[in-house]
Amino acid sequence: AQSVTQLGSHVSVSEGALVLLRCNYSSSVPPYLFWYVQYPNQGLQLLLKYTTGATLVKGINGFEAEFKKSETSFHLTKPSAHMSDAAEYFCAVKYGNKLVFGAGTILRVKS
Amino acid sequence: DTAVSQTPKYLVTQMGNDKSIKCEQNLGHDTMYWYKQDSKKFLKIMFSYNNKELIINETVPNRFSPKSPDKAHLNLHINSLELGDSAVYFCASSQDAGVTDTQYFGPGTRLTVL
Repeated sequence: AQSVTQLGSHVSVSEGALVLLRCNYSSSVPPYLFWYVQYPNQGLQLLLKYTTGATLVKGINGFEAEFKKSETSFHLTKPSAHMSDAAEYFCAVKYGNKLVFGAGTILRVKS
Repeated sequence: DTAVSQTPKYLVTQMGNDKSIKCEQNLGHDTMYWYKQDSKKFLKIMFSYNNKELIINETVPNRFSPKSPDKAHLNLHINSLELGDSAVYFCASSQDAGVTDTQYFGPGTRLTVL
């Protein structure tokens, strides 16, 4: 079955610390992978996406993600967290013409 | 110059009522979507239209009926509202229905059924 798993529904980091949000997917074909961010009471905004080519993808706001086929993972990272990064982050995988989302990870940034 | 807009932003109604949520995109995209985000923040596709033609119809009660009068609009009509319909409904659009196309989301409509 098509599935996207985000490990950790809540992640808390200190301001300036590394952010690591985990995403694993199930796919028997080359995946198309996305990370979206949702700020409180707002819609989803695309952070970055992987389709083909370079496996390290850079997105907005200093985020990046690396596609690792052998691990079926697409973890999101940012070297130094900022208070404004506090939001909910969704990993998503395109299966055919459907975008399937993970359950989301709420990122809390402590000052 | 909002790319994907939805109205209303909040909708509070009684069980059994019929309500509609409207969505418009000014991106010139051919494909539009409706998603439901439940109380646990889980997002799931409901419908998708490409050039006014229905291409995705997930297992959704037939009380939900999407209507696309033109490529720029995809409205969602819900009959006989139930408590379980309370959720945030997101509209989205993409250039096409291709696997690599990025979907752009509207701000959401929070529906509360009392």
